[in-house]
Amino acid sequence: QVQLEQSGAEVKIPGSSVKVSCKAVGGTFNNYAIRWVRQAPGQGLEWMGGVIPEYGTTNYAPDFHGKVTITADTATAYLELRRVRPEDTAMYYCARAPVIDMYNSGPFDVWGQGTMVTVSS
Amino acid sequence: IVMTQSPATLSVFLGDRATLSCRASQNINSNLAWYQQRPGQPPRLLIYDASTRATGVPARVSGSGSGTEFTLTISSLQSEDSAVYYCQQYNVFPPGYYFGQGTKLEIK
Repeated sequence: QVQLEQSGAEVKIPGSSVKVSCKAVGGTFNNYAIRWVRQAPGQGLEWMGGVIPEYGTTNYAPDFHGKVTITADTATAYLELRRVRPEDTAMYYCARAPVIDMYNSGPFDVWGQGTMVTVSS
Repeated sequence: IVMTQSPATLSVFLGDRATLSCRASQNINSNLAWYQQRPGQPPRLLIYDASTRATGVPARVSGSGSGTEFTLTISSLQSEDSAVYYCQQYNVFPPGYYFGQGTKLEIK
Protein backbone atom coordinates (compact mmCIF):
# COMPACT_ATOMS: atom_id res chain seq x y z
CA GLN A 1 0.00 0.00 0.00
CA VAL A 2 1.43 3.33 -1.08
CA GLN A 3 1.84 5.93 1.64
CA LEU A 4 2.11 9.68 1.16
CA GLU A 5 4.89 11.37 3.10
CA GLN A 6 4.72 15.15 3.44
CA SER A 7 7.45 17.63 4.26
CA GLY A 8 7.83 19.12 7.71
CA ALA A 9 6.18 22.05 9.43
CA GLU A 10 6.89 25.56 8.18
CA VAL A 11 6.85 28.99 9.80
CA LYS A 12 6.59 31.88 7.34
CA ILE A 13 6.40 35.66 7.53
CA PRO A 14 3.49 37.40 5.77
CA GLY A 15 4.10 38.06 2.08
CA SER A 16 6.53 35.19 1.58
CA SER A 17 5.98 31.89 -0.24
CA VAL A 18 5.96 28.32 1.00
CA LYS A 19 6.37 25.04 -0.87
CA VAL A 20 5.10 21.78 0.59
CA SER A 21 6.01 18.39 -0.85
CA CYS A 22 4.17 15.07 -0.91
CA LYS A 23 6.14 11.94 -1.77
CA ALA A 24 4.77 8.54 -2.70
CA VAL A 25 6.49 5.92 -0.56
CA GLY A 26 6.35 2.39 -1.92
CA GLY A 27 5.01 3.31 -5.35
CA THR A 28 4.30 6.06 -7.84
CA PHE A 29 1.41 8.33 -8.81
CA ASN A 30 0.68 6.29 -11.93
CA ASN A 31 -3.13 6.20 -12.51
CA TYR A 32 -3.68 8.62 -9.62
CA ALA A 33 -4.32 12.31 -9.17
CA ILE A 34 -2.89 14.23 -6.24
CA ARG A 35 -5.24 16.64 -4.53
CA TRP A 36 -4.49 19.22 -1.84
CA VAL A 37 -6.79 20.03 1.08
CA ARG A 38 -6.47 22.76 3.67
CA GLN A 39 -7.77 22.72 7.24
CA ALA A 40 -7.52 25.85 9.33
CA PRO A 41 -7.36 25.32 13.11
CA GLY A 42 -10.70 24.06 14.39
CA GLN A 43 -12.27 24.30 10.93
CA GLY A 44 -13.43 21.93 8.20
CA LEU A 45 -11.80 20.56 5.08
CA GLU A 46 -11.25 22.88 2.11
CA TRP A 47 -10.32 21.50 -1.31
CA MET A 48 -7.61 23.66 -2.92
CA GLY A 49 -6.75 21.99 -6.20
CA GLY A 50 -4.83 19.15 -7.72
CA VAL A 51 -2.84 17.61 -10.54
CA ILE A 52 -3.03 14.47 -12.64
CA PRO A 53 0.65 13.76 -13.29
CA GLU A 54 0.24 11.38 -16.24
CA TYR A 55 -1.74 14.01 -18.17
CA GLY A 56 -0.14 17.10 -16.70
CA THR A 57 -3.58 18.60 -16.04
CA THR A 58 -4.25 20.81 -13.06
CA ASN A 59 -7.33 22.39 -11.59
CA TYR A 60 -7.84 24.81 -8.74
CA ALA A 61 -10.72 25.84 -6.54
CA PRO A 62 -11.74 29.42 -7.42
CA ASP A 63 -10.60 30.76 -4.05
CA PHE A 64 -7.05 29.62 -4.79
CA HIS A 65 -6.60 30.68 -8.42
CA GLY A 66 -3.48 32.82 -8.68
CA LYS A 67 -2.51 32.02 -5.10
CA VAL A 68 -1.43 28.41 -5.50
CA THR A 69 0.61 26.36 -7.96
CA ILE A 70 0.48 22.56 -7.89
CA THR A 71 3.04 20.46 -9.74
CA ALA A 72 4.11 16.83 -9.73
CA ASP A 73 6.45 14.29 -11.26
CA THR A 74 5.94 10.53 -11.09
CA ALA A 75 6.39 10.23 -7.32
CA THR A 76 6.44 13.68 -5.70
CA ALA A 77 3.86 16.46 -5.76
CA TYR A 78 4.30 20.04 -4.67
CA LEU A 79 2.03 22.77 -3.40
CA GLU A 80 3.34 26.33 -3.59
CA LEU A 81 1.42 29.01 -1.76
CA ARG A 82 2.33 32.61 -2.58
CA ARG A 83 1.93 35.88 -0.69
CA VAL A 84 0.94 34.08 2.48
CA ARG A 85 -1.13 35.82 5.12
CA PRO A 86 -1.95 34.89 8.74
CA GLU A 87 -5.28 33.48 7.46
CA ASP A 88 -3.26 30.86 5.53
CA THR A 89 -2.18 29.31 8.83
CA ALA A 90 -3.48 25.77 8.53
CA MET A 91 -2.73 22.10 8.14
CA TYR A 92 -2.19 21.20 4.50
CA TYR A 93 -2.92 17.65 3.35
CA CYS A 94 -2.14 15.88 0.10
CA ALA A 95 -4.35 12.99 -0.94
CA ARG A 96 -4.37 10.41 -3.71
CA ALA A 97 -7.40 9.86 -5.94
CA PRO A 98 -7.86 7.33 -8.76
CA VAL A 99 -7.91 8.89 -12.23
CA ILE A 100 -11.22 8.80 -14.12
CA ASP A 101 -10.17 10.87 -17.13
CA MET A 102 -7.68 13.62 -17.86
CA TYR A 103 -9.60 16.12 -15.76
CA ASN A 104 -11.46 14.06 -13.16
CA SER A 105 -10.64 11.70 -10.37
CA GLY A 106 -12.43 9.68 -7.77
CA PRO A 107 -12.50 9.79 -3.97
CA PHE A 108 -9.41 10.52 -1.89
CA ASP A 109 -8.32 7.05 -0.78
CA VAL A 110 -4.87 7.71 0.71
CA TRP A 111 -3.88 10.81 2.67
CA GLY A 112 -0.59 12.28 3.79
CA GLN A 113 0.03 13.02 7.45
CA GLY A 114 -0.35 16.76 6.92
CA THR A 115 2.02 19.73 6.98
CA MET A 116 1.38 22.57 9.40
CA VAL A 117 2.08 26.00 7.94
CA THR A 118 2.12 28.90 10.37
CA VAL A 119 2.16 32.46 9.07
CA SER A 120 3.24 35.03 11.61
CA SER A 121 5.31 38.17 11.77
CA ILE B 1 -21.98 22.56 -6.25
CA VAL B 2 -22.51 23.20 -2.54
CA MET B 3 -22.55 20.33 -0.05
CA THR B 4 -24.63 20.82 3.11
CA GLN B 5 -24.44 18.47 6.07
CA SER B 6 -26.82 18.09 8.99
CA PRO B 7 -26.84 18.15 11.89
CA ALA B 8 -23.71 20.08 12.83
CA THR B 9 -23.39 18.03 16.01
CA LEU B 10 -24.97 14.69 16.87
CA SER B 11 -24.86 13.13 20.33
CA VAL B 12 -25.82 9.45 20.49
CA PHE B 13 -25.59 6.74 23.11
CA LEU B 14 -23.03 3.97 22.97
CA GLY B 15 -24.52 0.99 21.12
CA ASP B 16 -27.19 3.06 19.34
CA ARG B 17 -27.38 4.12 15.69
CA ALA B 18 -26.32 7.44 14.19
CA THR B 19 -27.74 8.89 10.98
CA LEU B 20 -25.88 11.71 9.25
CA SER B 21 -27.22 13.62 6.25
CA CYS B 22 -25.61 15.32 3.28
CA ARG B 23 -27.34 17.32 0.56
CA ALA B 24 -25.85 18.45 -2.77
CA SER B 25 -27.13 21.63 -4.42
CA GLN B 26 -27.19 19.83 -7.79
CA ASN B 27 -27.47 16.26 -8.96
CA ILE B 28 -24.17 14.44 -8.42
CA ASN B 29 -25.52 10.96 -9.21
CA SER B 30 -23.65 8.60 -6.87
CA ASN B 31 -20.36 10.54 -6.90
CA LEU B 32 -20.25 10.99 -3.15
CA ALA B 33 -17.72 9.98 -0.53
CA TRP B 34 -17.79 10.03 3.27
CA TYR B 35 -14.71 10.58 5.43
CA GLN B 36 -14.03 10.19 9.13
CA GLN B 37 -11.57 12.49 10.89
CA ARG B 38 -10.51 11.84 14.47
CA PRO B 39 -8.71 14.60 16.41
CA GLY B 40 -5.12 15.07 15.34
CA GLN B 41 -5.40 12.69 12.39
CA PRO B 42 -5.85 13.07 8.64
CA PRO B 43 -9.24 12.15 7.19
CA ARG B 44 -9.96 8.51 6.37
CA LEU B 45 -12.12 7.36 3.46
CA LEU B 46 -15.14 5.41 4.70
CA ILE B 47 -17.61 5.26 1.82
CA TYR B 48 -17.35 6.01 -1.91
CA ASP B 49 -19.81 5.87 -4.79
CA ALA B 50 -22.41 6.76 -2.13
CA SER B 51 -22.68 3.22 -0.74
CA THR B 52 -19.44 1.24 -1.23
CA ARG B 53 -17.37 0.69 1.89
CA ALA B 54 -13.66 1.38 1.60
CA THR B 55 -11.13 -1.29 2.52
CA GLY B 56 -11.20 -2.15 6.21
CA VAL B 57 -14.41 -0.28 7.03
CA PRO B 58 -16.74 -2.42 9.18
CA ALA B 59 -20.15 -3.52 7.92
CA ARG B 60 -21.92 -1.48 10.62
CA VAL B 61 -21.01 1.60 8.56
CA SER B 62 -23.25 2.10 5.54
CA GLY B 63 -24.07 4.77 3.00
CA SER B 64 -27.12 5.38 0.85
CA GLY B 65 -28.66 7.88 -1.51
CA SER B 66 -28.17 9.30 -4.99
CA GLY B 67 -28.80 12.52 -6.83
CA THR B 68 -28.89 15.20 -4.14
CA GLU B 69 -29.71 13.41 -0.87
CA PHE B 70 -27.31 11.10 0.94
CA THR B 71 -27.10 9.38 4.31
CA LEU B 72 -24.33 7.83 6.37
CA THR B 73 -25.50 5.36 9.00
CA ILE B 74 -23.31 3.96 11.76
CA SER B 75 -24.87 1.18 13.84
CA SER B 76 -23.81 -0.30 17.18
CA LEU B 77 -21.89 2.86 18.01
CA GLN B 78 -18.54 2.46 19.72
CA SER B 79 -16.39 5.04 21.47
CA GLU B 80 -13.95 4.99 18.53
CA ASP B 81 -16.70 6.38 16.26
CA SER B 82 -16.40 9.72 18.01
CA ALA B 83 -15.12 11.95 15.20
CA VAL B 84 -16.07 14.53 12.59
CA TYR B 85 -17.62 13.13 9.41
CA TYR B 86 -17.44 14.89 6.06
CA CYS B 87 -19.19 14.24 2.78
CA GLN B 88 -17.55 15.16 -0.54
CA GLN B 89 -18.53 15.31 -4.18
CA TYR B 90 -16.23 14.12 -6.96
CA ASN B 91 -16.24 13.41 -10.71
CA VAL B 92 -18.55 16.31 -11.46
CA PHE B 93 -18.39 18.97 -14.17
CA PRO B 94 -16.74 21.39 -13.89
CA PRO B 95 -14.28 19.39 -11.77
CA GLY B 96 -14.60 20.14 -8.08
CA TYR B 97 -14.07 18.14 -4.89
CA TYR B 98 -15.94 20.22 -2.37
CA PHE B 99 -16.62 19.00 1.14
CA GLY B 100 -19.58 19.54 3.40
CA GLN B 101 -18.95 21.50 6.59
CA GLY B 102 -18.85 18.33 8.68
CA THR B 103 -20.93 16.64 11.38
CA LYS B 104 -19.36 16.13 14.78
CA LEU B 105 -20.48 12.80 16.26
CA GLU B 106 -20.32 12.53 20.04
CA ILE B 107 -20.81 9.22 21.85
CA LYS B 108 -22.60 9.43 25.19
